[in-house]
Amino acid sequence: SSELTQPPSVSVSPGQTASITCSGDKLGDKFVCWYQQKPGQSPVLVVFQDTKRPSGIPERFSGSNSGNTATLTISGTQIVDEADYYCQAWDRSTWVFGGGTKLTVL
Amino acid sequence: EVVLVESGGGLVQPGGSLRLSCATSGFFFSTYGMNWVRQAPGKGLEWLSYISHSGSDISYADSVEGRFTISRDNAKKSLFLRMDSLRAEDSAIYYCARDQSGGFGELDYWGQGTLVTVSS
Repeated sequence: SSELTQPPSVSVSPGQTASITCSGDKLGDKFVCWYQQKPGQSPVLVVFQDTKRPSGIPERFSGSNSGNTATLTISGTQIVDEADYYCQAWDRSTWVFGGGTKLTVL
Repeated sequence: EVVLVESGGGLVQPGGSLRLSCATSGFFFSTYGMNWVRQAPGKGLEWLSYISHSGSDISYADSVEGRFTISRDNAKKSLFLRMDSLRAEDSAIYYCARDQSGGFGELDYWGQGTLVTVSS
């Protein structure tokens, strides 16, 4: 099965733009989604099908996917965005998660 | 409101078995594929298994193939995971998650999880 690689941690200052990458072989040929997970809580879908946002997710969350890399971008990052973020792709009835990235807002 | 509630977790000895349940409400359960995902303490998410809306299509991660069995009861709006030959490395929070209708594998709703601890 395919592997998805994320950086273990990313730091950003409040109000700045955070970018979290997810790399995998020919990832651009698949749809990628992103989950946010805060301590002690269940994951929440924040981006799906590369670029779409579920209802209720702030516009500052956006995504892209091309080549071997998908990116989750958080514009105007807020303190409340501090969390773990996971990318996920789906291929032939197999779901694969990235290892997760801890976003620190300081 | 979509709600998923897992139950059945607990402490089990290595080699033992456990059956997890996921009770659902707030949506037409029989029209959605469902998944199980787990998270070991301090670790990332690991997909385990999928079952289609009718139960006719099932898939497993290599790590649990042959030991875990997913099933569903559409009349009771419930999802299940039978776990056999449990190992210490199966200790984790187990989540059920709904497969977004018409999507491409995104999981749009998750339960709160149930903790499984495998230890003697």
